[in-house]
Amino acid sequence: NAGVMQNPRHLVRRRGQEARLRCSPMKGHSHVYWYRQLPEEGLKFMVYLQKENIIDESGMPKERFSAEFPKEGPSILRIQQVVRGDSAAYFCASSPAPLAGSTDTQYFGPGTRLTVL
Amino acid sequence: GNSVTQMEGPVTLSEEAFLTINCTYTATGYPSLFWYVQYPGEGLQLLLKATKADDKGSNKGFEATYRKETTSFHLEKGSVQVSDSAVYFCAHKGTGRRALTFGSGTRLQVQP
Repeated sequence: NAGVMQNPRHLVRRRGQEARLRCSPMKGHSHVYWYRQLPEEGLKFMVYLQKENIIDESGMPKERFSAEFPKEGPSILRIQQVVRGDSAAYFCASSPAPLAGSTDTQYFGPGTRLTVL
Repeated sequence: GNSVTQMEGPVTLSEEAFLTINCTYTATGYPSLFWYVQYPGEGLQLLLKATKADDKGSNKGFEATYRKETTSFHLEKGSVQVSDSAVYFCAHKGTGRRALTFGSGTRLQVQP
């Protein structure tokens, strides 16, 4: 059972360009989470999605950032008009659909390291 | 609000030394508690977890006990190895929430 896949692993963009980060959850998982890790800091929650629905986007910046998880294909985190402050590692995690009383552990991908020049 | 506080690093130990990394949390209700480990250049791996008070999570010689009275989940290992060198993150997931709240991480360096 393959783990959570993210690509690309490294992404370099110039200021003003768009960045697209992809995440394929573990087989059988229908829930995806995106987190951002700034240098020397912990992970900060950004958004939680299930297929075709955004469930919780309380951690997403109000502008330039968007996320989707279509019926077919990977989840996409999109950052428009990137700025230097967007440079970070972006991690995706997945979990199965929640069951009553379960912990629904999140399993993390290897991350995409975005560098904005 | 919900938060996780970890002891600051780096923690530098000699091989076979005893390890403790402190973690305390604030949360409403009864959160689930986790320790994740991040090796250089890699993503986070779940190390252990506990879902209710007095539960002890354990894996690969690491242990942590969910202490509700002190709102703590300290990570311990009796004898560390060089291969344990990594960054360790404490996290919780609050009641009714799906998102994890992470501490800032503690870097462990084990010297031979």
